[in-house]
This record gives sequence, C-alpha cells and structure tokens, in this order.
Amino acid sequence: GDSVTQMEGPVTLSEEAFLTINCTYTATGYPSLFWYVQYPGEGLQLLLKATKADDKGSNKGFEATYRKETTSFHLEKGSVQVSDSAVYFCALRSWDSSYKLIFGSGTRLLVRP
Amino acid sequence: KAGVTQTPRYLIKTRGQQVTLSCSPISGHRSVSWYQQTPGQGLQFLFEYFSETQRNKGNFPGRFSGRQFSNSRSEMNVSTLELGDSALYLCASSLQGEETQYFGPGTRLLVL
Repeated sequence: GDSVTQMEGPVTLSEEAFLTINCTYTATGYPSLFWYVQYPGEGLQLLLKATKADDKGSNKGFEATYRKETTSFHLEKGSVQVSDSAVYFCALRSWDSSYKLIFGSGTRLLVRP
Repeated sequence: KAGVTQTPRYLIKTRGQQVTLSCSPISGHRSVSWYQQTPGQGLQFLFEYFSETQRNKGNFPGRFSGRQFSNSRSEMNVSTLELGDSALYLCASSLQGEETQYFGPGTRLLVL
C-alpha cells in the first residue's frame, strides 16, 4: 500500500541555518503531497501542498517540490527561526488510498537562538 | 471563517468506560475525518464521513465508531476503553473529501 518515509529526528539547527527535511513516498497512483506542522500542544496545520509532478508548494518561507522521478517531496527553508521549532509531517493522499491521509512518522525540528 | 473545533480538549477516563468526542467542521465543509495520534503508532486514520455516511474506515476495532449529523458535525465514540486508547484524537474537515484537509486542535484522551 501507499506509504511515506521521513528522516528521523530530532533535527537541531541554529537560527538562520538552512533546513532540509527529507520525505519520500510509495504510491501506485498519482498522489497529492502535503507538509503539515504541529506545534506543541496543538493540532496539525497545513504548511504547503503540491498536487502534481513538478509542482512547488510554498508558504512562510518553506518550499517543497513534487519530484515524481525520485518519489520525493523534501521540505526546505533558507533561514530558520526559533519559532519554526515544531514537528513536521509529510503526507500523501490518493485515490488508491481511498483519499485518507497517510502520514510519515514526523520529524522534530529544534532551532536554537 | 472559524476553523475546525473539537470538544472537549482534554478528557480523563478509566478502563472500561466509554467516551464521546465531538467535532464541528469548517462552515461549508461536508467531509469529516478522524485520526488517532500516539507516540508509538504515529498518525493513523480512523474513519471518514461525508453527508452523514461513513465513506472510509481504518483498521481499528469495532469499539471505535462514529457518526455525522445533517449539519456536518461529527462525533466519535470509543466503548470499553483500554489503556492503549490514550491518544490525541484529531478531526479534519474538507469540502468534498478529495481536497485539502484542515485539522482541529484535537482532544487529548487519557485512560487510567
């Protein structure tokens, strides 16, 4: 079945460092891909999405490009802030998965001042 | 526009009891999905409702059930609670079910 694999955390960075969180997926169809963020004690917030190959999702300085050839959707940010500290989830949704969201295990990001 | 709301936010129950959680979707959204989040299993899909009909169900025992009302509000029920049911239960809504899902803050359930 469909699945999502994320890099293990925690990822610890200093403020203004460059961020990459790797995400790869397995899907038989053509999924939509998402990044959600979860701040402590809160639910999930949609960060960005891409619905077809080569689409780039972006929001709040974060970017991710849907790469069908490498089945990847890596999250990047050029300069992280302390306020970016959170858990980031990569997810997919497709007809083959009956449109339920399938999540990766999450990657915790800690940004130090 | 108000986001997805969930009540209660926190709940403590004992083994064997039952619990009902409530979710109000974003106005106009007709699809509601429920997810369970635990440290060990991560985020797992429970079920989805659309126009009062369960359209999709995850791999959870029959103790987990849900329903949706004509105003799209949804409830999920867990009977005969077990310690392993302790989790954050998240509700998400979307317009038609195939679109982006927006999540509520969750209900944190602790079973003692």
